[in-house]
Amino acid sequence: EDQVTQSPEALRLQEGESSSLNCSYTVSGLRGLFWYRQDPGKGPEFLFTLYSAGEEKEKERLKATLTKKESFLHITAPKPEDSATYLCAVQDSSNTGKLIFGQGTTLQVKP
Amino acid sequence: DAEITQSPRHKITETGRQVTLACHQTWNHNNMFWYRQDLGHGLRLIHYSYGVHDTNKGEVSDGYSVSRSNTEDLPLTLESAASSQTSVYFCASSEGAHLLMKQYFGPGTRLTVT
Repeated sequence: EDQVTQSPEALRLQEGESSSLNCSYTVSGLRGLFWYRQDPGKGPEFLFTLYSAGEEKEKERLKATLTKKESFLHITAPKPEDSATYLCAVQDSSNTGKLIFGQGTTLQVKP
Repeated sequence: DAEITQSPRHKITETGRQVTLACHQTWNHNNMFWYRQDLGHGLRLIHYSYGVHDTNKGEVSDGYSVSRSNTEDLPLTLESAASSQTSVYFCASSEGAHLLMKQYFGPGTRLTVT
């Protein structure tokens, strides 16, 4: 059974304090791993798609990396506006387009 | 600009009543999805559709139904609402040619069943 586990559940950082969020997955043939950002009261907003181990993608202070068993979302010198819940999701080789989501990591960045 | 909208944004209903949540997208995407989001469970797939007249069950489909009569809309119906269906519901869509394409999410509907 496909499974996605994110850690930690919650993370508090001071502004400028870099850290990483983890997404561990078990899937029957990974077709893609997705990172989303979700602000309170809103729908998830797409950040990245990673397709194969070794791939990296960057956007502003965020960098996502992928290995065969996990993905990391690195946050460099975060700002208070980076506070949100970050969701990881995987799509398996069944080619159905379905996403399996982790429970998310809630990040709070204090000024 | 193209978008995906959901209505109502908030709904309170009583146990046993039928409820329909609307989802409308203007991207002309073939694929549409319904999720529910609960504390401790994350987002879970309810139903999905690859095009007009196509519907498929997700992992938590019991008590829910969908129908797709056009490209833009995928309404979600709770046949007989139960307290366990209190949740936040999100609709999403993605382009039809490649199922690996990212999904765009609506703003959500918060449903309370009393």
